[in-house]
Amino acid sequence: GDSVTQMEGPVTLSEEAFLTINCTYTATGYPSLFWYVQYPGEGLQLLLKATKADDKGSNKGFEATYRKETTSFHLEKGSVQVSDSAVYFCALSDEVGAGSYQLTFGKGTKLSVIP
Amino acid sequence: EPEVTQTPSHQVTQMGQEVILRCVPISNHLYFYWYRQILGQKVEFLVSFYNNEISEKSEIFDDQFSVERPDGSNFTLKIRSTKLEDSAMYFCASSASEPGQYFGPGTRLTVT
Repeated sequence: GDSVTQMEGPVTLSEEAFLTINCTYTATGYPSLFWYVQYPGEGLQLLLKATKADDKGSNKGFEATYRKETTSFHLEKGSVQVSDSAVYFCALSDEVGAGSYQLTFGKGTKLSVIP
Repeated sequence: EPEVTQTPSHQVTQMGQEVILRCVPISNHLYFYWYRQILGQKVEFLVSFYNNEISEKSEIFDDQFSVERPDGSNFTLKIRSTKLEDSAMYFCASSASEPGQYFGPGTRLTVT
């Protein structure tokens, strides 16, 4: 079945540091790829997505590129802020019915940014 | 900006009791989902729902679980007889026809 593997946390960075969170996947089909973010005490928010190879998803300074050849979708940000402290989930979706997609999540990576 | 809402935010129930978790998806979305996250573990897919029927369900979604769209706005998850291991955060999500689901804030279910 489909699976997502992302780097284990926690990750602690100083403000303005560069962030990379690695994510690789296995899928039988041609999935769409996502990053979700969960701030403390809140639900999951869609951060960015990419639906085909070489697409780059970007939002709020974060970006990730769909690499089919390496089955990866690594999340990057050039300069993190304290407000970026959260848990980040990589996910893929496969179509399970016409227009209906099931998300498969990685375990999540907790990021803490210190001033 | 439209958002998915869920009620209650926290539900405490005794083992063996029935619970109903409620969700209001984004109004023009057609696909609805439930996921759960046991503390410290992955977010897991439970069920997807479209056109008033289940599209797909996971092995977690056994006969104790059911979903319903009782009117044009609500989407509910019922657990018929709760077990201790049902304690988790339950997330509702909705989507339009393209990939990318929008999640509610979750309901924390505690079974004692």
